Parts: sequence; C-alpha cells; structure tokens
Amino acid sequence: KQEVTQIPAALSVPEGENLVLNCSFTDSAIYNLQWFRQDPGKGLTSLLLIQSSQREQTSGRLNASLDKSSGRSTLYIAASQPGDSATYLCAVRLWDYKLSFGAGTTVTVRA
Amino acid sequence: GAVVSQHPSWVICKSGTSVKIECRSLDFQATTMFWYRQFPKQSLMLMATSNEGSKATYEQGVEKDKFLINHASLTLSTLTVTSAHPEDSSFYICSAPPGTGGRDTQYFGPGTRLTVL
Repeated sequence: KQEVTQIPAALSVPEGENLVLNCSFTDSAIYNLQWFRQDPGKGLTSLLLIQSSQREQTSGRLNASLDKSSGRSTLYIAASQPGDSATYLCAVRLWDYKLSFGAGTTVTVRA
Repeated sequence: GAVVSQHPSWVICKSGTSVKIECRSLDFQATTMFWYRQFPKQSLMLMATSNEGSKATYEQGVEKDKFLINHASLTLSTLTVTSAHPEDSSFYICSAPPGTGGRDTQYFGPGTRLTVL
C-alpha cells in the first residue's frame, strides 16, 4: 500500500522567504505526482503535475522536483506572499488512476 | 478546463438521518467519479469509485450499506450517507479521473462539509 508523508506538518515564515515543502512516498512505481493547494474549507486546486519520467516542473514562482527512485518530491515556492498561506497536499497516482494523498503542510506567510 | 460541482457545499443534520451529496460534471461526461473523505487535519482518503451504469467499488473498510453511491448519468454521481452519526462528520470531495477533458490531471469538486449533530 502506498504511504505518502509530508514534512513539516506546518510552517510559518515571514513574507519574502522561500518555502520548501517535502513529500515522500513508499512505492516508487508511480505514474505521476501532483501538488495541490487547499484553502480552509475549500476544495483542491492543482498546482503542478510531474510525470514519472520527469525530474521537475515549474510554474511561475513554483517549482517541484521528483526523485522517483528515492521516493521524494519537493515543492519550492519562491518569494512567499501572504496569499500563499494555505495547506499544500502532495498526491501520487499509481497506474489504476487512484490518488494517495499526504496529510499536507499548512503554510502561514506573515506580512 | 473541466469543472466539477458539488451540492450542497455544507449540510448540518441530526444523527440518524440520511444525507445526499450530488457531484456533477458541468462541461464533460464522466463514466467514473471518485469519492474522497477528509477528516480535520488529515489527508484525503479514497472511499469509493462510482461507475456509470454499474455498481460502485468501495475501498477496504468503507461500509457499502452506509455510503450509497449512484452514478445515474454521465454527468451526475451521488453519495448518500445513510443513518448518519457524528463520526461521519467530514469533508466529502468528488473528482473526475485523469484523462477527463483531455488532460492528465484530476479535477476535484469544491467539497461538501457534513456536520452530524
């Protein structure tokens, strides 16, 4: 069974600082890995999707890396802003379309 | 992009009553929908997969008779929590699987917050 772990569980930084969020998974036979953002009481917003053959994906201030062999992914958010405050979820997809989620990292960016 | 809606967005009910949650695909047809549950400060857990025209498949540990899933059409899947109890209070989210709308990502509904008193 795929286990997904996210560290840290919570993170508080001053505005402008770079954020580093970590995700690890136990089964390296993944199809892809996705990072989501979830605001309190809301659904999920997809941020980045990395296919198993890729090493990283970038979108604006966001960059996600994937090391499938070691079962790790890292989400970098550059020059954080208060609007980046949210919970970030990592999810890995196996070949049966099902997603396994981590518990998330709750980020607070202080103005 | 593909849009998934849920109704209601939140519901409060008394213990012992049943609650129906609707999940609709607004601009595409979905033969399959996934239903997830999220308890406070925990990860999303897949509950079941609804299949249009056939029975839903449930994940291990999910009670089929308690969480009734119906996929009546290519744009509507429903989850009914029967005889709800306080421990069923959770955030329920549906999603369309990858490949829907021509993209590899998975589209999620906005979620339904269920509170059972």
